Amino acid sequence: IAGITQAPTSQILAAGRRMTLRCTQDMRHNAMYWYRQDLGLGLRLIHYSNTAGTTGKGEVPDGYSVSRANTDDFPLTLASAVPSQTSVYFCASPLIRERPGLARYNEQFFGPGTRLTVL
Amino acid sequence: GENVEQHPSTLSVQEGDSAVIKCTYSDSASNYFPWYKQELGKRPQLIIDIRSNVGEKKDQRIAVTLNKTAKHFSLHITETQPEDSAVYFCAAAYSGAGSYQLTFGKGTKLSVIP
Repeated sequence: IAGITQAPTSQILAAGRRMTLRCTQDMRHNAMYWYRQDLGLGLRLIHYSNTAGTTGKGEVPDGYSVSRANTDDFPLTLASAVPSQTSVYFCASPLIRERPGLARYNEQFFGPGTRLTVL
Repeated sequence: GENVEQHPSTLSVQEGDSAVIKCTYSDSASNYFPWYKQELGKRPQLIIDIRSNVGEKKDQRIAVTLNKTAKHFSLHITETQPEDSAVYFCAAAYSGAGSYQLTFGKGTKLSVIP
């Protein structure tokens, strides 16, 4: 789905190094999320931002930080990477849809993902 | 918070047969239940969703059912084809008051055998 980009596509990183995963969307959505995907564990929310200038912790926030200086960008930083952070990381942004007679709901669009390996 | 359980974790079916994936959720306030399909090496993509005010929704070979009383919902794929092979995720959310976070199940790997 065009509209959400992530960089890099993949990265091999030495333990202890700092790393920032980038996420940019051009859909002008307010909310953005970071998930990690691990085999057998599904998609787990790391951090989220409901609007520019605000962030919140998800299910697995330890070892990660985020910022949301503007609507389009939502970088995820690993201050000191550890091997357990080896994973595929997906950025996502919901399109809030409205249907006649129904409350708003969230159709979540995912970026292409970043495969991170920490050695 | 919400907890979503998904079963089975793997499912193999013969081409042309039906496949059923089941999910349960814990938060009775959840009112939106989407299903995502993820092909190997790709990003998850929405395939169908259901709101809490309906019990069933169909889209060609795919259908989703919801039982709010029992707090479970299911994905049904009929006349399966090899291209249906993927990992499927269910999710639940309470859409309201500006919150749109999804809680995902752990996924089901569906293999359709030609």
